[in-house]
Amino acid sequence: EAGVTQSPTHLIKTRGQQATLRCSPISGHTSVYWYQQALGLGLQFLLWYDEGEERNRGNFPPRFSGRQFPNYSSELNVNALELEDSALYLCASSYDISNQPQHFGDGTRLSIL
Amino acid sequence: GDSVTQMEGPVTLSEEAFLTINCTYTATGYPSLFWYVQYPGEGLQLLLKATKADDKGSNKGFEATYRKETTSFHLEKGSVQVSDSAVYFCALSLYSTLTFGKGTMLLVSP
Repeated sequence: EAGVTQSPTHLIKTRGQQATLRCSPISGHTSVYWYQQALGLGLQFLLWYDEGEERNRGNFPPRFSGRQFPNYSSELNVNALELEDSALYLCASSYDISNQPQHFGDGTRLSIL
Repeated sequence: GDSVTQMEGPVTLSEEAFLTINCTYTATGYPSLFWYVQYPGEGLQLLLKATKADDKGSNKGFEATYRKETTSFHLEKGSVQVSDSAVYFCALSLYSTLTFGKGTMLLVSP
C-alpha cells in the first residue's frame, strides 16, 4: 500500500511569493490534514479537509489556504510568504473523522529567502 | 484548551537500557492518545495508540498505557537499540485534529 506522498520535497521561495504544496493520501482515506513543523514551535495543526470540505483550521492567517480535490488529494497554498513561514509542512491522511490514526508523509521543506 | 506536555530531552541512553518518556495531557473530553516517532529527515510514523482509559498500546517493543486518573500516557521500552534514536511525539485527538507535545529526542549509544 502506497503511503502519503507529498511534493515537492524541497521548495525555495523569496518573501512575498506564493507557494503551492501537494499531498496524495493513502488510497481509501478521505480526510487530509496539514501541519506545520517550524523550528522552536513544534508541530501545529493548519487545516483539515474531508470529502472536499474544509472542516477545521488552526490558528494561522488567511494567507494559508488549501483545497481538496475529488480524488481526495490536497493542495496547501501560502500567499505573501514571510520569513517565518520557513518550516517542514507535513500532510497526513486518515480513513474518516472518527479519530482514526493519521498517517503522515515525509513533508515538504519550505525555505524562504 | 487541549495540550500535551512531554519531558524535555535529549534523553541519552546506552543500548539495552530501559526507556521511559513521560507524557501528560489536558483535554476537555476523552481523547484518543498516540505516540509518533520521527527519524531524521522523515515525516512522522505512528508508533502506537490507545483510544480509551486503561487501553495499552504496543508496537516494536514500545508500550504505553492510557491512564485517565493521572491523565498520562508514558512511553516505555525494556531494551532500547541504537536504531531507536529519533524524536518521539506524544499527541491527543479529540475532534480528529492532533495536538502534539513538543517532542523528546532520544539518543542511544552502542
